[in-house]
Amino acid sequence: EAGVAQSPRYKIIEKRQSVAFWCNPISGHATLYWYQQILGQGPKLLIQFQNNGVVDDSQLPKDRFSAERLKGVDSTLKIQPAKLEDSAVYLCASSTGQGGYTFGSGTRLTVV
Amino acid sequence: GESVGLHLPTLSVQEGDNSIINCAYSNSASDYFIWYKQESGKGPQFIIDIRSNMDKRQGQRVTVLLNKTVKHLSLQIAATQPGDSAVYFCAENPSGNTPLVFGKGTRLSVIA
Repeated sequence: EAGVAQSPRYKIIEKRQSVAFWCNPISGHATLYWYQQILGQGPKLLIQFQNNGVVDDSQLPKDRFSAERLKGVDSTLKIQPAKLEDSAVYLCASSTGQGGYTFGSGTRLTVV
Repeated sequence: GESVGLHLPTLSVQEGDNSIINCAYSNSASDYFIWYKQESGKGPQFIIDIRSNMDKRQGQRVTVLLNKTVKHLSLQIAATQPGDSAVYFCAENPSGNTPLVFGKGTRLSVIA
């Protein structure tokens, strides 16, 4: 089966600019996650979707981060405006709701 | 609060030797644990999982041990190969459909 697709692979932006990441989960996976992985650390959850509804966004910095999954399939994560500390790899994962997740390769964001 | 951590940030082993990577978790209610392998530039890849009603599970060259008494998880890799070089993360599922919580990771380096 096809894996989790993410784009772009890399992005460099200046602080205060905006950026968007896209994720296409594995077909049929109802649950989708966005994780932030700062260099040298483990992934940290930003938001969890079940179909097109948000299950957990308690750790999403909502003053600058937003995410949507309008049709319950693809998802976008946006940062506006970006800060230097947002430099990280943004990982998308999907699952059936039970068991382990399948991760995409991530988008490496550098804010300068 | 809930946290998952690893005892050592780095581990170097000789090719052919066995590797043991440790993880401590703090949430006694966690009922599901996963080990992930992350190679440079890639997303975390599922290795093996274990549920709290088990204390050992074996896969191909890998074994996960769970000690609920001391809230400790370990990953054993037999006959370590250069391709095993990566960062290994343990992750716990606190309960039900709650998202996985990841530890900080251990970098395994295999010396040829």
